[in-house]
Amino acid sequence: EVQLLESGGGLVQPGGSMRLSCAASGFTFSNYAMSWVRQAPGKGLEWVSAISGSGETTYYADSVKGRFTISRDKSKNTLYLQMNSLRAEDTAVYYCTKKREDYGDVGTFDCWGQGTLVTVSS
Amino acid sequence: QSALTQPASVSGSPGQSITISCTGTSNDVGGYNYVSWYQQHPGKAPKLIIYDVNNRPSGVSTRFSGSKSGNTASLTISGLQAEDEANYHCTSYTVSSTQVFGGGTKLTVL
Repeated sequence: EVQLLESGGGLVQPGGSMRLSCAASGFTFSNYAMSWVRQAPGKGLEWVSAISGSGETTYYADSVKGRFTISRDKSKNTLYLQMNSLRAEDTAVYYCTKKREDYGDVGTFDCWGQGTLVTVSS
Repeated sequence: QSALTQPASVSGSPGQSITISCTGTSNDVGGYNYVSWYQQHPGKAPKLIIYDVNNRPSGVSTRFSGSKSGNTASLTISGLQAEDEANYHCTSYTVSSTQVFGGGTKLTVL
């Protein structure tokens, strides 16, 4: 069974940093691209970033480009999102997602974690 | 990249059919057959119900179907059931190699 378990959320001050982790199991981690998707309270979903299965190629939404960095560790089957220069508008539940197909880097998400809440406030 | 446009809310009675639209541009919905739909119950993670415009993952009810015409994709739910009451989100691949979501639609089963 595919499982994605996020961790690392919490309260952070504006301008601060935070790193989210996502532990993956139940599939060959390095074969699949992964993405982070977030949802601000009471709002819709917003795609944040994606990374290829190899980790060599990364993609970012304009809203986080230059501030967030996505990465993955094949030996630990773990996906990361390093978030710097955080703003109030980054407050959201952050979901780790797995791409449905074992090809391509951006697209359908067939498995989602339970999400971790990041609150940016002073 | 602007968000796709979905109606904020739709409603229907049990047994009826409803359709939720998702409008983008030729740079996303209109340019690719990579539109997917997600169902999200309150407090839960989204669940994939339609991918590549009109394909259902294994285990998803045949009451859910998808289509696309031009820059607008649609999700149709037939034979509405109380359990279908949820938020529905569309998303599309874009010309910039990114993904864009709609604002989400709240479905109320009367």
